[in-house]
Amino acid sequence: QVQLVESGGGVVQPGKSLRLSCAASGFSFSDSALHWVRQAPGKGLEWVAVISYDGSDKFYADSVKGRFTISRDNSKNTVLLEMNSLRAEDTALYYCARDVGAYGHYCDYWGQGTLVTVSS
Amino acid sequence: EIVLTQSPGTLSLSPGERAILSCRASQRVSSAYVAWYQQKPGQAPRVLTYRTSSRATGIPDRFSGSGSGTDFTLTISRLEPEDFAVYYCQQYGSSPFTFGQGTNLEIK
Repeated sequence: QVQLVESGGGVVQPGKSLRLSCAASGFSFSDSALHWVRQAPGKGLEWVAVISYDGSDKFYADSVKGRFTISRDNSKNTVLLEMNSLRAEDTALYYCARDVGAYGHYCDYWGQGTLVTVSS
Repeated sequence: EIVLTQSPGTLSLSPGERAILSCRASQRVSSAYVAWYQQKPGQAPRVLTYRTSSRATGIPDRFSGSGSGTDFTLTISRLEPEDFAVYYCQQYGSSPFTFGQGTNLEIK
């Protein structure tokens, strides 16, 4: 079955960096786009970024553009989110989610999330 | 960026009643690429409908999506106890793929 397992979350100081990882299994990873979506404590969902099946196309939310970088390694079935210049407002549960297609569409499978807390 | 506004913010209904949730976009959504998700406390979201009106695999037929242009609706025909949750619309017609702020469907 499809599984997405996020890791790499933790407590980090403002201005620092963190790298999240999502390990995928149970489907043809190299055929699917992947998304990161976050949810601040007690708040709604916020779409963060998407990467196409082959990594050639990447799109970002305005709130993270220039600070976050999404990438993937199809040989390792892994998608990464490199987060730089972190701010308090980046504190959230970060979900990795599978797109139904090769480019950006909707998500049909989600991981359980990894918590990022930005605090001094 | 397309801004999605959901209404109402909270909807209080009883099991067996019909729920109508609204999602209004700040500009036309390309190809009616709107999805609806359900999220229960402590769980990841689950997709209910996509491309406005197509039901995702395994979703009961009491859930139906409709709409076009800038106005979209999720209707739950007869509420079951397990349907009380938070619902989000999302547009994926153009990047950034924004979500609405959510509608909390609570038991009256």
